[in-house]
Amino acid sequence: ILNVEQSPQSLHVQEGDSTNFTCSFPSSNFYALHWYRWETAKSPEALFVMTLNGDEKKKGRISATLNTKEGYSYLYIKGSQPEDSATYLCAFGYAGGTSYGKLTFGQGTILTVHP
Amino acid sequence: DAGVTQSPTHLIKTRGQHVTLRCSPISGHKSVSWYQQVLGQGPQFIFQYYEKEERGRGNFPDRFSARQFPNYSSELNVNALLLGDSALYLCASSPGTGYSYEQYFGPGTRLTVT
Repeated sequence: ILNVEQSPQSLHVQEGDSTNFTCSFPSSNFYALHWYRWETAKSPEALFVMTLNGDEKKKGRISATLNTKEGYSYLYIKGSQPEDSATYLCAFGYAGGTSYGKLTFGQGTILTVHP
Repeated sequence: DAGVTQSPTHLIKTRGQHVTLRCSPISGHKSVSWYQQVLGQGPQFIFQYYEKEERGRGNFPDRFSARQFPNYSSELNVNALLLGDSALYLCASSPGTGYSYEQYFGPGTRLTVT
């Protein structure tokens, strides 16, 4: 059973604060790591897909890093805004087994940004 | 361009009944995946279909089945519904079947089993 853990489970920050969350995944047989943002009453939206150790990706105020050797990824939000309030999900793609295409999701980090 | 669409949006069924959920992918996307999301947990992979063939299956009982049609739309079928099948069912499409493709999710179907 593949274990993908996200921490913290929830986070409350003030507008303007910078914040970060962690996604931990198995360090063996790594193929890809996805980050998604899921706002209430909307569909999950892809933020990043990372496949190489040391990958760093950025989209506006949001960035992510990847360490496949130790099995973790960080998501950073600089200068949080109320519209950043959402559940942030990471998903691990495993290079092995018989279920090709299976993404294993973490339980998510719920971010609330207070004005 | 239209995004991924799912129907119905909400559904209430009784234990033992059968349900069919439908998904239309983004135009040009040939891969469709199904996920089950229970409150407080991340989405759990059920199936992936690519070019009308099953390419991946998660740890779900045989009561769950799916298929993909020539126009790449897909159906998820669940037989002999149990209370524990109550969940949000998400469909996602992507251009290809590999992990390097991001998933484009639909709004989901909320299934309640009573």
